[in-house]
Amino acid sequence: NAGVTQTPKFQVLKTGQSMTLQCAQDMNHNSMYWYRQDPGMGLRLIYYSASEGTTDKGEVPNGYNVSRLNKREFSLRLESAAPSQTSVYFCASSELGGLYYEQYFGPGTRLTVT
Amino acid sequence: AQSVTQLGSHVSVSEGALVLLRCNYSSSVPPYLFWYVQYPNQGLQLLLKYTTGATLVKGINGFEAEFKKSETSFHLTKPSAHMSDAAEYFCAVSDPLYSSASKIIFGSGTRLSIRP
Repeated sequence: NAGVTQTPKFQVLKTGQSMTLQCAQDMNHNSMYWYRQDPGMGLRLIYYSASEGTTDKGEVPNGYNVSRLNKREFSLRLESAAPSQTSVYFCASSELGGLYYEQYFGPGTRLTVT
Repeated sequence: AQSVTQLGSHVSVSEGALVLLRCNYSSSVPPYLFWYVQYPNQGLQLLLKYTTGATLVKGINGFEAEFKKSETSFHLTKPSAHMSDAAEYFCAVSDPLYSSASKIIFGSGTRLSIRP
């Protein structure tokens, strides 16, 4: 049981390049999330998927797109990377939606855009 | 709207001393509250959560937190700090507006350092 896995662990992009961050969970969770973490700002929600086949914007969706490929996988795409997207990106999942369920986090992807 | 304030971005205590990390929240409805811990170069891990019932909540690694509605606080404590407790700690509150998903609002974090 690996929990939540993310690839890659590290990535350096040039401004304007594109890339996709991959996330997978093996806990049969329904809901999945993408966050970015910046110093002094905690975690901010980019997009989430309450269930397979649905996605919704979070607090900071501009510059990103997501795909809920199936129940296990939720990818985050940067179409044209900008230096402001330099951050650590975390994927998370929860058993169901709603207030009660805690989230389980992956180890993160450290992205630098030059 | 929900919000979370963590007082002190950095707290340093001696090994064996009391750990107290402060968290205040604002919420228009009874909140669900969480504390997460992040060890260096790792993702966040749930320490404990308050949903309903007993206001003193015990978590992993000897941590506990008390929900005080009158003070809108959910401070995290541990009687005796260990070197292994050095990490960043995040307080969080569920946002009831996002009923379709477990949308959680995180505080900005408190980095805990332990002095030998």
